[in-house]
Amino acid sequence: ELKVEQNPLFLSMQEGKNYTIYCNYSTTSDRLYWYRQDPGKSLESLFVLLSNGAVKQEGRLMASLDTKARLSTLHITAAVHDLSATYFCAVDPYNNNDMRFGAGTRLTVKP
Amino acid sequence: EAQVTQNPRYLITVTGKKLTVTCSQNMNHEYMSWYRQDPGLGLRQIYYSMNVEVTDKGDVPEGYKVSRKEKRNFPLILESPSPNQTSLYFCASSLGRGDEKLFFGSGTQLSVL
Repeated sequence: ELKVEQNPLFLSMQEGKNYTIYCNYSTTSDRLYWYRQDPGKSLESLFVLLSNGAVKQEGRLMASLDTKARLSTLHITAAVHDLSATYFCAVDPYNNNDMRFGAGTRLTVKP
Repeated sequence: EAQVTQNPRYLITVTGKKLTVTCSQNMNHEYMSWYRQDPGLGLRQIYYSMNVEVTDKGDVPEGYKVSRKEKRNFPLILESPSPNQTSLYFCASSLGRGDEKLFFGSGTQLSVL
């Protein structure tokens, strides 16, 4: 059974601090996706990682993928309140957009 | 504007009363899917479709039906809703080439009493 595990599930951090969210998955997948969901809203795509060693950055967020370790990380640098949201990782084990999601990490950034 | 449109946004119904949640995309996407979101469980896939007249079960298909008669539409049908189907539902679509992100609808909050 495919498992996608995120940790932590809840994260409260101070503005200006750094932190990393982890996403482990149990089956081979060359593709991993990160999505953001604001409270009461839909999901929007953050990053698409398509190969081992892929690294992508946008603003204060940086995502990386290690397919051998079956691990992706989402690193937050100098957090700001606007980053407060729930972050989901998803894998595409069959390479056809049939994605499986983690449970999500609810991030709260406090002043 | 490129978008995935779901209706209704909110729906309250009673056990056993058939309902349909509509989903339409205007991006000529091959792939469409339905997810349900429950607290602590993330998104779980209900059904997906790789093209017209091609549908497959996801992780939690019991109690749901779908159809894909046209490329742009992918309705979710609950023939006899039960309270355990109370959830937030999302429709999503993509080009389906295996390297593309999903575009999500705005969600449908369903309550079955």
